[in-house]
Amino acid sequence: EVQLQQSGPELVKPGASMKISCKASGYSFTGYTMNWVKQSHGKNLEWIGLINPYNGGTSYNQKFKGKATLTVDKSSSTAYMELLSLTSEDSAVYYCARHSYGNYLDYWGQGTTLTVSS
Amino acid sequence: EILLTQSPAIIAASPGEKVTITCSASSSVSYMNWYQQKPGSSPKIWIYGISNLASGVPARFSGSGSGTSFSFTINSMEAEDVATYYCQQRSSYPLTFGAGTKLELK
Repeated sequence: EVQLQQSGPELVKPGASMKISCKASGYSFTGYTMNWVKQSHGKNLEWIGLINPYNGGTSYNQKFKGKATLTVDKSSSTAYMELLSLTSEDSAVYYCARHSYGNYLDYWGQGTTLTVSS
Repeated sequence: EILLTQSPAIIAASPGEKVTITCSASSSVSYMNWYQQKPGSSPKIWIYGISNLASGVPARFSGSGSGTSFSFTINSMEAEDVATYYCQQRSSYPLTFGAGTKLELK
């Protein structure tokens, strides 16, 4: 069974950085690209970017360049997203989602809630 | 960036009623996906490649369209269909989503 298990909720102060993890299981981790999606206010979905776990290649939404950094650890089948210089605008739920060969996001993590507040 | 405009933003339907949601793209796309999201849960792929139902999706759902105009239809509304539905294009990066249509039970 394919599963994407994300790290728990985070409360961080403005200006700080933090990293969300997404541990994949039930499939070949290096065989599928991993996407990250932001959901603000419980509604709007924004694509942040993707990473190819096989070679580490990345593609970012221009809006999130400098804000998000995507990495993977193949040895543990885990994808990471680091968010930098956090502000209240970064408070949201963040999802990792696998990119299927059919060109849709077929499996999603449970989401990680980030709250940026002093 | 391709903008996707969904309408309506909110719709209420009675059991058995037909429901149609539209998604208009700012540029022509060749591939449209739809996701279902229920409160407190992650989005789920519902329809992919314009008209293909994801595994386990009931046959009362359908998708159609081409170019810049796409639609998502429920032939006969059921209580379990209450959710928010999002369109998503993958014809060009960045991937973009519509703002969502919240479907309620009347």
